[in-house]
Amino acid sequence: GQQVMQIPQYQHVQEGEDFTTYCNSSTTLSNIQWYKQRPGGHPVFLIQLVKSGEVKKQKRLTFQFGEAKKNSSLHITATQTTDVGTYFCAGLHNTDKLIFGTGTRLQVFP
Amino acid sequence: DVKVTQSSRYLVKRTGEKVFLECVQDMDHENMFWYRQDPGLGLRLIYFSYDVKMKEKGDIPEGYSVSREKKERFSLILESASTNQTSMYLCASSSYGYTFGSGTRLTVV
Repeated sequence: GQQVMQIPQYQHVQEGEDFTTYCNSSTTLSNIQWYKQRPGGHPVFLIQLVKSGEVKKQKRLTFQFGEAKKNSSLHITATQTTDVGTYFCAGLHNTDKLIFGTGTRLQVFP
Repeated sequence: DVKVTQSSRYLVKRTGEKVFLECVQDMDHENMFWYRQDPGLGLRLIYFSYDVKMKEKGDIPEGYSVSREKKERFSLILESASTNQTSMYLCASSSYGYTFGSGTRLTVV
């Protein structure tokens, strides 16, 4: 079936270091979305990418959608303790059903 | 802001009980979803609905059913709760991105 794999599963960084999480789909995606879930909270929508090769930025966060529309990445520059949480990618396939990745849990040490 | 409200934050039920999880959204969204979230497994889609009285099975529908009698309300039903249904249940509605409710942590004992 359709799968979205996300790596790494966990990442611990020192405050100020950069962080990247990667997302790969077994099939071509219509679009990809990214969510952040703080500890004890629920996933919150961050952004959606639709076009092949698209790059979007939100302050220190940079999102990329691969040329083949099968992979994506989220890069955080100079992490802060407020970045702590689990980051999920979610790919939309032709069925209009979002398939979530397993998430990357980010821990930032001050 | 879109608000998705789940009726209970925490629930403890006994094996074999019938359990209702309620979800209400206030932005007239047509699409609503039920996920469960388990450590290491991410979010898995149980059921979804694109319209009133319409429902579609997700990836793990076994042991669950849903009801969508009104556009704003999407209910998840565990016909006979089992211990392997202990989980965090998340409801979402969508137009652009998904808006999730705060979740219901269900424990089946």
